[in-house]
Amino acid sequence: DIQMTQSPSSLSASVGDTITITCRASQNIGTSLNWFQVKPGRAPKLLIFAASRFHLGVPTTFSGAGSGSVFTLTITNLHPEDFAIYYCQQSYSFPRTFGQGTKVEV
Amino acid sequence: QVQLQQWGAGLLKPSETLSLTCAVYGGPFSGYYWSWIRQPPGKGLEWVGEIRHSGSTNYRPSLRSRLTVSIDTSKNQFSLKLRSVTAADTAVYYCARVAYCGGDCSSFDYWGQGTLVTVSS
Repeated sequence: DIQMTQSPSSLSASVGDTITITCRASQNIGTSLNWFQVKPGRAPKLLIFAASRFHLGVPTTFSGAGSGSVFTLTITNLHPEDFAIYYCQQSYSFPRTFGQGTKVEV
Repeated sequence: QVQLQQWGAGLLKPSETLSLTCAVYGGPFSGYYWSWIRQPPGKGLEWVGEIRHSGSTNYRPSLRSRLTVSIDTSKNQFSLKLRSVTAADTAVYYCARVAYCGGDCSSFDYWGQGTLVTVSS
């Protein structure tokens, strides 16, 4: 199985900040990397697919980058609704695997 | 607007069978793959399995012996059955649409609302 490791596990930020979350794959996965936002009691939302492509309706304050085994999710100008847990996920091979999550809190 | 609506029993005893169904509204059913993902309490997301329109499947290896994912194209629905559940199967279960974008590119682009399934004696 491909292991996905996110860093940091949690971070504190303020409205208006810019933050970056890193996701590392245990092997080369090309650009087969997705990012999701999860809020308590809500279904996960796809933000970024194929490492850097925006899902429909996702604000441009979110951006993804990377290829191979290192990827980043950057959120600029943090809004109150952006405080959530973020997960990366690889679609390179089965079984699909997720990172452990990064909690973005005030 | 694509919507996935899921349902099934939320409280099971050990050794029973977990059964969930997901219906797809507002978008095409054929041409997509369909998946189940779960999140144990306080833990991260865990992929469970996937089914194609043809009926072919991919399962999480650790669940393969207990898991069946099936599809009913006449009703735009797909289902999950997990036999012989234990407390370790307690989780919020989500259904999701799998959108393939070429090669190894795919993503879970639309999700159901989630069903908390608790396994307890």
